[in-house]
Amino acid sequence: GQNIDQPTEMTATEGAIVQINCTYQTSGFNGLFWYQQHAGEAPTFLSYNVLDGLEEKGRFSSFLSRSKGYSYLLLKELQMKDSASYLCAVRDSNYQLIWGAGTKLIIKP
Amino acid sequence: ETGVTQTPRHLVMGMTNKKSLKCEQHLGHNAMYWYKQSAKKPLELMFVYNFKEQTENNSVPSRFSPECPNSSHLFLHLHTLQPEDSALYLCASSQASGDTGELFFGEGSRLTVL
Repeated sequence: GQNIDQPTEMTATEGAIVQINCTYQTSGFNGLFWYQQHAGEAPTFLSYNVLDGLEEKGRFSSFLSRSKGYSYLLLKELQMKDSASYLCAVRDSNYQLIWGAGTKLIIKP
Repeated sequence: ETGVTQTPRHLVMGMTNKKSLKCEQHLGHNAMYWYKQSAKKPLELMFVYNFKEQTENNSVPSRFSPECPNSSHLFLHLHTLQPEDSALYLCASSQASGDTGELFFGEGSRLTVL
């Protein structure tokens, strides 16, 4: 079966750095997405990785290792507004999106 | 105006009621999706429409009935639902299904079945 694993919940301190991991086992690979979802709001696109390596976008970076079936989302200089759920999703060989259950990130002052 | 708009935002219905969820996208996309989001579970894809044609029905019970009259509008008709159907129903759109672009989501319709 196809599976995406990510931690259920993480806590970090304002101003710090946090890394949210995502591991996957899918039938093929056609890219990995990270989405942010604030409580009661729509998920919004954060990043897309299809090749190995690090993609940086401001305070957020996303890393991919296809050989290890592994990705992480790195958030720097954490702000209170970064409190949200972070969803990892992989597009398989049929271009279907396989979703993780999301990681709830709690930022404390 | 946001890209993907869903109404109503909240809905409470009894098991014998009939109601509909509406989704409208203003992004010029050709694919629209219904997802079910339950607490601490992955998003569940329910239906996919590509250029108004249904291309995906992930073994969804017949008490959920989708309708896509054009590429900008998507409905989910609900009847004789069960309490376990209580969830957040998210609509999304993309340029076309099967492409590599991201999905644009609406804010969802929170459904409670009594």
